[in-house]
Amino acid sequence: DQQVKQNSPSLSVQEGRISILNCDYTNSMFDYFLWYKKYPAEGPTFLISISSIKDKNEDGRFTVFLNKSAKHLSLHIVPSQPGDSAVYFCAASQYGNKLVFGAGTILRVKS
Amino acid sequence: ETGVTQTPRHLVMGMTNKKSLKCEQHLGHNAMYWYKQSAKKPLELMFVYNFKEQTENNSVPSRFSPECPNSSHLFLHLHTLQPEDSALYLCASRTTSGAWGDTQYFGPGTRLTVL
Repeated sequence: DQQVKQNSPSLSVQEGRISILNCDYTNSMFDYFLWYKKYPAEGPTFLISISSIKDKNEDGRFTVFLNKSAKHLSLHIVPSQPGDSAVYFCAASQYGNKLVFGAGTILRVKS
Repeated sequence: ETGVTQTPRHLVMGMTNKKSLKCEQHLGHNAMYWYKQSAKKPLELMFVYNFKEQTENNSVPSRFSPECPNSSHLFLHLHTLQPEDSALYLCASRTTSGAWGDTQYFGPGTRLTVL
């Protein structure tokens, strides 16, 4: 039973436009959510996070939105750049100890 | 060295071999993790160590044997693996001090191929 789902395996976006990556979760006890970015042959790199007491967190070009009632979070990247092309994983935790990951979304930013 | 390092980066082994994966974190963290990433699957948590003590074993077969001699080092000893164990093995660490929700930081992974 997958508690964290990324239903879009891939996304293609033109350079300069907005990229929106989505993630759904089923466990209402999750209280912390993260996005990681992964390049081939490298480990995941932390990108941005949000706690359940917030509904938005922004860091430069990256904004994460959390909709607790819908159990949905999204990552917005604007403007998208070719270097953003990677696999993006969302993850969720309860009390911080264990992360549950989604399967990932491949983002391709075309120049 | 900074962050989380893993060696070797690539490993090819036969089913009868014994090998070990090493992870070292230079972040002063006190929790360390082993994950397995198979193709097109989510990262699967294998083991969790807090202050050198194993706090979670996610039903991992005994042919994988973790060791955590101190808070900075984590090993994964491998023996009599199967071809389906071929995957990317990732180590991560985090601090357990402060509020919940601390971020895990990952190493680059070891790409393991079992022949």
